[in-house]
Amino acid sequence: GQNIDQPTEMTATEGAIVQINCTYQTSGFNGLFWYQQHAGEAPTFLSYNVLDGLEEKGRFSSFLSRSKGYSYLLLKELQMKDSASYLCAVMDSNYQLIWGAGTKLIIKP
Amino acid sequence: IAGITQAPTSQILAAGRRMTLRCTQDMRHNAMYWYRQDLGLGLRLIHYSNTAGTTGKGEVPDGYSVSRANTDDFPLTLASAVPSQTSVYFCASSEGNTDTQYFGPGTRLTVL
Repeated sequence: GQNIDQPTEMTATEGAIVQINCTYQTSGFNGLFWYQQHAGEAPTFLSYNVLDGLEEKGRFSSFLSRSKGYSYLLLKELQMKDSASYLCAVMDSNYQLIWGAGTKLIIKP
Repeated sequence: IAGITQAPTSQILAAGRRMTLRCTQDMRHNAMYWYRQDLGLGLRLIHYSNTAGTTGKGEVPDGYSVSRANTDDFPLTLASAVPSQTSVYFCASSEGNTDTQYFGPGTRLTVL
């Protein structure tokens, strides 16, 4: 079957750096997406990786290793507003997104 | 309208009743999707449409139906609601079926 694994919850301190990992096993691979979801709101797009390596976008970076079935989202200079769930999703061979359950990130002052 | 809208925002429904969740986008996206989100689980695809006039089944289609009469609208119908359909429902759209998906604000549905 298809599977996306990410930690259920992480805690970090304001101003620090946090890395959220995602491992996947899917039938085919057509890209990996990261979304942010604040409580009670819709998911919003953060990043997309289809080739190996690091994609940087401001305070957020996303890394992909297709051979290892692994990605991470790196958040720098954490702010209280970064408290949210972070969702990892892989586009499979049928071009459907397979979603992880999400990682709830708690930021402490 | 800007982006994707969904209606209603929330609804409490008696089991056995019929319910249609509405979704409208103004981005002229070709592809649209319906997901449900339950605590502890990832988003699960119910139905999708790659272009107006076509629809397809996702991971959890049973008990749901959709139609795509035009580009903008993609309603989801529960023919006879059951308590296990209590969930938050998100509609999403993308320019093409391989592109980034953008989500509506969601509908919180409770079936009693």
